Amino acid sequence: DGGITQSPKYLFRKEGQNVTLSCEQNLNHDAMYWYRQDPGQGLRLIYYSQIVNDFQKGDIAEGYSVSREKKESFPLTVTSAQKNPTAFYLCASSLAHSPHNEQFFGPGTRLTVL
Amino acid sequence: KNEVEQSPQNLTAQEGEFITINCSYSVGISALHWLQQHPGGGIVSLFMLSSGKKKHGRLIATINIQEKHSSLHITASHPRDSAVYICAVRPAYSGAGSYQLTFGKGTKLSVIP
Repeated sequence: DGGITQSPKYLFRKEGQNVTLSCEQNLNHDAMYWYRQDPGQGLRLIYYSQIVNDFQKGDIAEGYSVSREKKESFPLTVTSAQKNPTAFYLCASSLAHSPHNEQFFGPGTRLTVL
Repeated sequence: KNEVEQSPQNLTAQEGEFITINCSYSVGISALHWLQQHPGGGIVSLFMLSSGKKKHGRLIATINIQEKHSSLHITASHPRDSAVYICAVRPAYSGAGSYQLTFGKGTKLSVIP
């Protein structure tokens, strides 16, 4: 079955620690995205990548970092510089040349920083 | 700046009722998406529209490009329809960021048996 996997589903970390969220897709999509979702707010774009070894900042990239060494993987690191990291994080992917950019979403990771 | 507004924010309905969720946006778009997010958090795509109307089972989505408005209708609602429904648009301008979507805040629907 093709799809996007995110792990783990729930993650707890102490304040000041970096943490890496996993995102893997087997849809052969070129583009991948990381979103953050907070209660009462729409999804906000953190980073996106249109091709391997290239990525761009989204609207709220501060305190986050990504890498795209393989087409199927786009891990997100939440650094200690992120002031309010507790949130629900969603990964998505799409075909790079999709005219309407239909995105497919993973199940999400809920990060709680204690 | 592209704004996407959804209404209502919260909606409670009795099983069997006809439901309408609205989405308005402020810039020209190439496509509008309706997404469904279940309590567990995962998101699935329901519809992708660039014009007219689409139907899938009990769900109907319409879009009026001139008025910059879309509606999602659910006929004969059922408790399993309880979820957050999210509208997202892809702006029509091209260039850097052309892959980006702008999301509404979502409409939380609860269908009571």
